[in-house]
Amino acid sequence: KAGVTQTPRYLIKTRGQQVTLSCSPISGHRSVSWYQQTPGQGLQFLFEYFSETQRNKGNFPGRFSGRQFSNSRSEMNVSTLELGDSALYLCASSSRVAGGDLNEQFFGPGTRLTVL
Amino acid sequence: GESVGLHLPTLSVQEGDNSIINCAYSNSASDYFIWYKQESGKGPQFIIDIRSNMDKRQGQRVTVLLNKTVKHLSLQIAATQPGDSAVYFCAEGYTGRRALTFGSGTRLQVQP
Repeated sequence: KAGVTQTPRYLIKTRGQQVTLSCSPISGHRSVSWYQQTPGQGLQFLFEYFSETQRNKGNFPGRFSGRQFSNSRSEMNVSTLELGDSALYLCASSSRVAGGDLNEQFFGPGTRLTVL
Repeated sequence: GESVGLHLPTLSVQEGDNSIINCAYSNSASDYFIWYKQESGKGPQFIIDIRSNMDKRQGQRVTVLLNKTVKHLSLQIAATQPGDSAVYFCAEGYTGRRALTFGSGTRLQVQP
């Protein structure tokens, strides 16, 4: 079974630009969560999508957004990039069941975003 | 690519020794705890989890201990191997809200 895939793996942008990152969950998984990892703040939760709906949201500005498609693939978008957005963006998928029970989350390798 | 902090606490052990990595969590409402291992250039890899109605859970070479009184979690790795060298994160969550809150991580270095 293929794992979580994220594209692209590396990205360089300049301040003010926008970026879209993609995540394909493990086949059959319907929940996708996004995390930002930086040396200063560690791993921080961005948002979670399940059945094309955002279910949970972390404490990030509105410049960070996401969506999920009917095949469970997810994208996140960051607009008006700032230097501080340089980070490793990780996607995790799980076989979330109705009722909110927590299941193991499988992480992808991440997208390394550098903002110049 | 480097994916972890530059100033993580580091635990250095000899190959074959047992390792204990500690973590303090913050939310008394958390009812689910996980340990992840992250190697350079990779995403976090699930090691073991434990629910708040348990105080100990064992896996293959790993044991997680949970002390809810002092909000403390530990990961014990038996017979540590060079392949165990990585950064280890604890994470907490609670039913009804899927988001995980991660600790700052501990770097484990295994000396051959």
